[in-house]
Amino acid sequence: GDSVTQMEGPVTLSEEAFLTINCTYTATGYPSLFWYVQYPGEGLQLLLKATKADDKGSNKGFEATYRKETTSFHLEKGSVQVSDSAVYFCALEGNFGNEKLTFGTGTRLTIIP
Amino acid sequence: DAGVTQSPTHLIKTRGQQVTLRCSPKSGHDTVSWYQQALGQGPQFIFQYYEEEERQRGNFPDRFSGHQFPNYSSELNVNALLLGDSALYLCASSPRKRARGLETQYFGPGTRLLVL
Repeated sequence: GDSVTQMEGPVTLSEEAFLTINCTYTATGYPSLFWYVQYPGEGLQLLLKATKADDKGSNKGFEATYRKETTSFHLEKGSVQVSDSAVYFCALEGNFGNEKLTFGTGTRLTIIP
Repeated sequence: DAGVTQSPTHLIKTRGQQVTLRCSPKSGHDTVSWYQQALGQGPQFIFQYYEEEERQRGNFPDRFSGHQFPNYSSELNVNALLLGDSALYLCASSPRKRARGLETQYFGPGTRLLVL
């Protein structure tokens, strides 16, 4: 079945550091890929998405590129801020008929001033 | 434009009891999915409702059941509660694409259930 493997956390970085959170997936067909973010005590918010190979999703300075050849969707940001501290989830959604989201276990990110 | 809303926000139950959680989808959305998020884990898909029918189900026992109403709102029912059912229950809504599956799913804030 479908699965998502995320870089284990927690990750602690200094403000303005470069961020990479690795994500790889296993799926049949051509899934859509997502990054969701969860702030303390809140539900999930969509951060960015990509629906086909070589697409790049971007939002709020975060980017991720759908790499079919390496089955990866790594999250990057050039300069993190304290407000980026949260838990980040990589997820995939299957094709029509298999439209559930399958999530990774999450990566807790803490940014220190 | 209100987003996805869920009620209640918190709930405490004892083993063996039954619980009903509620979800109102975002305006314009007709598909509702439910997820269970255990502490420190990623959300796990429970089931999805569209046109008042369960369309897809994850690996959850029959104790977990649901319903969708004509106004697209939905309920999640859990019978015979176990300690392991303690989790954050998330509802997600989306509009149904006509050609190829769902649009992006938007999540509510969740209901935190504690089973004692």
